[in-house]
Amino acid sequence: DAMVIQNPRYQVTQFGKPVTLSCSQTLNHNVMYWYQQKSSQAPKLLFHYYDKDFNNEADTPDNFQSRRPNTSFCFLDIRSPGLGDAAMYLCATSRVGQGTDTQYFGPGTRLTVL
Amino acid sequence: GNSVTQMEGPVTLSEEAFLTINCTYTATGYPSLFWYVQYPGEGLQLLLKATKADDKGSNKGFEATYRKETTSFHLEKGSVQVSDSAVYFCALTSSGGSYIPTFGRGTSLIVHP
Repeated sequence: DAMVIQNPRYQVTQFGKPVTLSCSQTLNHNVMYWYQQKSSQAPKLLFHYYDKDFNNEADTPDNFQSRRPNTSFCFLDIRSPGLGDAAMYLCATSRVGQGTDTQYFGPGTRLTVL
Repeated sequence: GNSVTQMEGPVTLSEEAFLTINCTYTATGYPSLFWYVQYPGEGLQLLLKATKADDKGSNKGFEATYRKETTSFHLEKGSVQVSDSAVYFCALTSSGGSYIPTFGRGTSLIVHP
């Protein structure tokens, strides 16, 4: 089945130690998104790629970076995680420009910062 | 700007009860409206959607009707099950090319046997 895959599902890191989260998709969608979701809150958009074009949200900290080496893969790098970065990180995709705005989410990566 | 307002949770029901989760929105033009569901420990998944006024989206016994006159998209189900326990998010994407969704804060549903 076509899907959005995130690895790992659970990530534990130490304060200040860089971490990379991975997302891949088999849907061939042109847009990929990274969201941060804290407990009992709506997902908060960090940034997204429309094809190769990177779009950063104005309030996304510089500590968060992203790479999209090809259509299928997208990475979230947290350069120096703080305790406040502990959250669920959700990757999503959509096909923009063909009449549908539906987002397809991966299962998420739960990040713990010690 | 766009906004989505959902009723606060948690909503606690007994199995087989009727469910309504209210959602109202503010947007220009003719947005597309969505309900996403998030089960514990998982990502969001599309439950249903409607793209124009008076459309009814439906899936798994859930329904919602796009009401432009009241700017609402309330989620209903006639008989909930324990397995429906989850967080439900109302969302919209605006017409005119903006594909970034605006989410409501989410409403937690707890169904007891």
